[in-house]
Amino acid sequence: DGGITQSPKYLFRKEGQNVTLSCEQNLNHDAMYWYRQDPGQGLRLIYYSQIVNDFQKGDIAEGYSVSREKKESFPLTVTSAQKNPTAFYLCASSSGALAKNIQYFGAGTRLSVL
Amino acid sequence: AQSVSQHNHHVILSEAASLELGCNYSYGGTVNLFWYVQYPGQHLQLLLKYFSGDPLVKGIKGFEAEFIKSKFSFNLRKPSVQWSDTAEYFCAVNSPLGGGYNKLIFGAGTRLAVHP
Repeated sequence: DGGITQSPKYLFRKEGQNVTLSCEQNLNHDAMYWYRQDPGQGLRLIYYSQIVNDFQKGDIAEGYSVSREKKESFPLTVTSAQKNPTAFYLCASSSGALAKNIQYFGAGTRLSVL
Repeated sequence: AQSVSQHNHHVILSEAASLELGCNYSYGGTVNLFWYVQYPGQHLQLLLKYFSGDPLVKGIKGFEAEFIKSKFSFNLRKPSVQWSDTAEYFCAVNSPLGGGYNKLIFGAGTRLAVHP
């Protein structure tokens, strides 16, 4: 099955700890995105990458870091600098001409602070 | 700044009732508009989209939406809802990132509960 796989489904972070959320896609998409979903606020863009070895900050990048070493993978690290990390994190991808406007989403990772 | 406003945060309907969820956006340029749906425990998936042409677009599962440029609106409709339509619905508008790619600006979402 083609799609976007996020893991883990649930993650707990201790204070001062960095945690990494995985996102893998087998859709051969060029672009990948990380969004954060908070209740009553919709989704907000954290980071995006249009090509391997390149990525850009989104609207709320502070306290997060990413890498794009492979086309298929776009992991997100929530650092200790992120003071309010509890949220639902969604990874998305898109590719090709007008289809660049259509984003496909993974099932998400729910991060909580212990 | 671009924004998307969804008027109803929670909607409760009985089966067979008609549905209309409001969505207004603020963006002066050419817009691409989307409705995404998130069923309980499932990933966010595309319900329908508007890029250009006929302003009345039809999506999956009997949903449709109408783009009214003069009102900056893209309301979602379904004539007769089913229990399986219980989900959270998000309206979104594109915002160019360059290189032909876009980020999506999402509304806050509307939680729909349909009772049998």
